[in-house]
Amino acid sequence: ETGVTQTPRHLVMGMTNKKSLKCEQHLGHNAMYWYKQSAKKPLELMFVYSLEERVENNSVPSRFSPECPNSSHLFLHLHTLQPEDSALYLCASSQDLGGYTEAFFGQGTRLTVV
Amino acid sequence: AQSVAQPEDQVNVAEGNPLTVKCTYSVSGNPYLFWYVQYPNRGLQFLLKYITGDNLVKGSYGFEAEFNKSQTSFHLKKPSALVSDSALYFCAVRPSGSNDYKLSFGAGTTVTVRA
Repeated sequence: ETGVTQTPRHLVMGMTNKKSLKCEQHLGHNAMYWYKQSAKKPLELMFVYSLEERVENNSVPSRFSPECPNSSHLFLHLHTLQPEDSALYLCASSQDLGGYTEAFFGQGTRLTVV
Repeated sequence: AQSVAQPEDQVNVAEGNPLTVKCTYSVSGNPYLFWYVQYPNRGLQFLLKYITGDNLVKGSYGFEAEFNKSQTSFHLKKPSALVSDSALYFCAVRPSGSNDYKLSFGAGTTVTVRA
């Protein structure tokens, strides 16, 4: 266990559904991240939060909406997704933004859009 | 912008043989370099990192990596591979400047260790 917990582990949703992914860390970290992992491609950084403030929105479609209500929790709200959005969504946290601190990853949510 | 290349999609070795997973990087200035491993249906786990100093870095599970500035490489190595080392390995780089926090990952290398 890395100290970063993601729920649900698996999610199947239709293109008209609305769902949310949840991430929780109790490591006392100040930065949290959402990544998208597709097969045979580098991890894509989607959103970055530092001290609950969004510092990065990496040209992500508006059908993905992040929320960071406090330093321990991060959500990714999903609506009207497309089949190409099917992927493994990873949450990560680090002590601080940048520097040489490593990121700790959750186990991911395997999302399938049908 | 920084980038990472992992030139091999797959590496296959026999158990007990040395394992090397290659990584080259491109970054402005000095790099911070990281290796992560991902087992099936799991998230990424941190293995080791290079910050500064000794070019040979030792990490978890008997892995080590050698930083080579002239070749801009950070290859991951293990002297004697185990079947349980079979997984997906990612190299990542971040510039050492304090204002740049983006961590860039390679596409990953699948390692298969056969018994």
